[in-house]
Amino acid sequence: GQNIDQPTEMTATEGAIVQINCTYQTSGFNGLFWYQQHAGEAPTFLSYNVLDGLEEKGRFSSFLSRSKGYSYLLLKELQMKDSASYLCAVLNYGQNFVFGPGTRLSVLP
Amino acid sequence: EPEVTQTPSHQVTQMGQEVILRCVPISNHLYFYWYRQILGQKVEFLVSFYNNEISEKSEIFDDQFSVERPDGSNFTLKIRSTKLEDSAMYFCASSARDATNEKLFFGSGTQLSVL
Repeated sequence: GQNIDQPTEMTATEGAIVQINCTYQTSGFNGLFWYQQHAGEAPTFLSYNVLDGLEEKGRFSSFLSRSKGYSYLLLKELQMKDSASYLCAVLNYGQNFVFGPGTRLSVLP
Repeated sequence: EPEVTQTPSHQVTQMGQEVILRCVPISNHLYFYWYRQILGQKVEFLVSFYNNEISEKSEIFDDQFSVERPDGSNFTLKIRSTKLEDSAMYFCASSARDATNEKLFFGSGTQLSVL
């Protein structure tokens, strides 16, 4: 089967750092992706990990441990516009992207 | 940046009617997908398409669904006889899936409402 877990909701304060975790069990692994989705809009790409370790991209970083089936997205210097859902997705051996349920992040002033 | 385009942005239909959702993937992409998202729920895979044929489909993609690439640019999803539970946002996506660019690009979606 395929299973991707993320916390349902998180709240953080403007300027703070937040870490959104993702665990996965999928039929094969060809990469892990993080997407941002604002309400009523399409998901937009944030980051991609295929090897273990940390990928940094400005205020956003993503970490992967393939042996643990675990990833996290780290958002620094939070801004109000970062309030959105964050989707963890795995590219499996079927060459399909399987999405987790998403984590709704609320950034408070 | 190149975009995936979808039309219409909103579609309202009566239960039992056929609908066709249209997509123009990014021109040099080879892999095409349809996903749907019921309000408040996760993004669900429907079907993937490569080399002019379906490469994988989910349990959701039953005999009421079909996909076509009628020409070199369009990619369509047809629902033959819509049900109330088909109401959702339908996203088309495409990917180059080459060594330098694995990521999935999404269109802005078609909101389907079945009455």
